[in-house]
Amino acid sequence: EVQLVESGGGLVQPGRSLRLSCTASGFTFGDYAMSWVRQAPGKGLEWVCFIRSKAYGGTTEYAASVKGSFTISRDDSKSIAYLQMNSLKTEDTAVYYCTRDYCRGGNCHHAYWGQGTLVTVSS
Amino acid sequence: EIVLTQSPATLSLSPGERATLSCRASQSVSSNLAWYQQKPGQAPRLLIYDASNRATGIPARFSGSGSGTDFTLTISSLEPEDFAVYYCQQRSNWLYTFGQGTKLEIK
Repeated sequence: EVQLVESGGGLVQPGRSLRLSCTASGFTFGDYAMSWVRQAPGKGLEWVCFIRSKAYGGTTEYAASVKGSFTISRDDSKSIAYLQMNSLKTEDTAVYYCTRDYCRGGNCHHAYWGQGTLVTVSS
Repeated sequence: EIVLTQSPATLSLSPGERATLSCRASQSVSSNLAWYQQKPGQAPRLLIYDASNRATGIPARFSGSGSGTDFTLTISSLEPEDFAVYYCQQRSNWLYTFGQGTKLEIK
């Protein structure tokens, strides 16, 4: 069974940093691309970033809203994806979901989701 | 950036009725469109991918159609557990975007 468990959320002051982790199990983590998707309270879904598998270079993509502030990475030996969030703003307050993605022929979607971790940016 | 517009924002129907949800893209996304269901307090769940393929374990009453810029999610006969928020999503040039969601509520 595919499982994704996010951790590391909490209350943080504006301008500070936070690192989220997504621990995966039930599949060969290194074979899949991963994403982070967030949802502000009472709002819709917003894709944040994406990392390819090592077979496709392990390269990354970011939404314009977080480019330069957030960094996604992966440790395939531990089956963990990370989201390093720097210079946090109040508008980064959201539940952050980790997803396992499936891509084929240029089409991609978020096949599996974790339960999310809440990040609150407030003074 | 491709913008996805979902309509209606809210759909009020009764169990047993047919639901038709729309997603329109600001430019063609070919068949690169997925649908997700989200219930309160839960993570989203993949329903449909590549515009018309049901994800594993998704009941046959859910179907997707369309290509290019116009897409439809149809629920043939609503069950009580189907009342939720539905999002469409596309990926283009390695950037994903979501629609703003359609809330399906009990009439």
